[in-house]
Amino acid sequence: GENVEQHPSTLSVQEGDSAVIKCTYSDSASNYFPWYKQELGKRPQLIIDIRSNVGEKKDQRIAVTLNKTAKHFSLHITETQPEDSAVYFCAAVENTGTASKLTFGTGTRLQVTL
Amino acid sequence: NAGVTQTPKFQVLKTGQSMTLQCAQDMNHNSMYWYRQDPGMGLRLIYYSASEGTTDKGEVPNGYNVSRLNKREFSLRLESAAPSQTSVYFCASSGQGFSNQPQHFGDGTRLSIL
Repeated sequence: GENVEQHPSTLSVQEGDSAVIKCTYSDSASNYFPWYKQELGKRPQLIIDIRSNVGEKKDQRIAVTLNKTAKHFSLHITETQPEDSAVYFCAAVENTGTASKLTFGTGTRLQVTL
Repeated sequence: NAGVTQTPKFQVLKTGQSMTLQCAQDMNHNSMYWYRQDPGMGLRLIYYSASEGTTDKGEVPNGYNVSRLNKREFSLRLESAAPSQTSVYFCASSGQGFSNQPQHFGDGTRLSIL
């Protein structure tokens, strides 16, 4: 099955700086990579995703890059704000042909300090 | 539009008791999923249902059973609760399972087993 590793486990940045979270996956057949943000006590919420036929995707201050050869993908947050503080999870999707099974990384706790 | 609704939100059980966690979605999604979230371990897939009438084991199915009651509802049952099942349980749903659509999560059920 798929295995996803995520680094770092904690990340502290000053407001306005950039934050980068990196993930690697093991199954070369995985073809969809979503990122979720989870605030304390809340549900995971999708913030951005990328499919395997794309190398980079941007949405305002958030971008994701994918290197299929190296089997790693990264989340980039620019101009960080206090409301970006949360736990971020990467995931890789194994397509079984009948369902999409998500395998999550273990999460990165991002703290944006003033 | 409520999205994914889970009940109950909180529950305390004694070891050996049984209970069923309920999940319903109103987005006409085909696929539904149950995850558990433990500190430092991300979200792990317990069971999933690619479509009405089908269910499959995920990464950590032992001690659980599921029922896909209809297209909207997917329940998770603990037959004989154990302290190791203390966790936060999330239900999720997605569109056509084979096309890698994003998964949408409910608010979670916080379950404690004494």
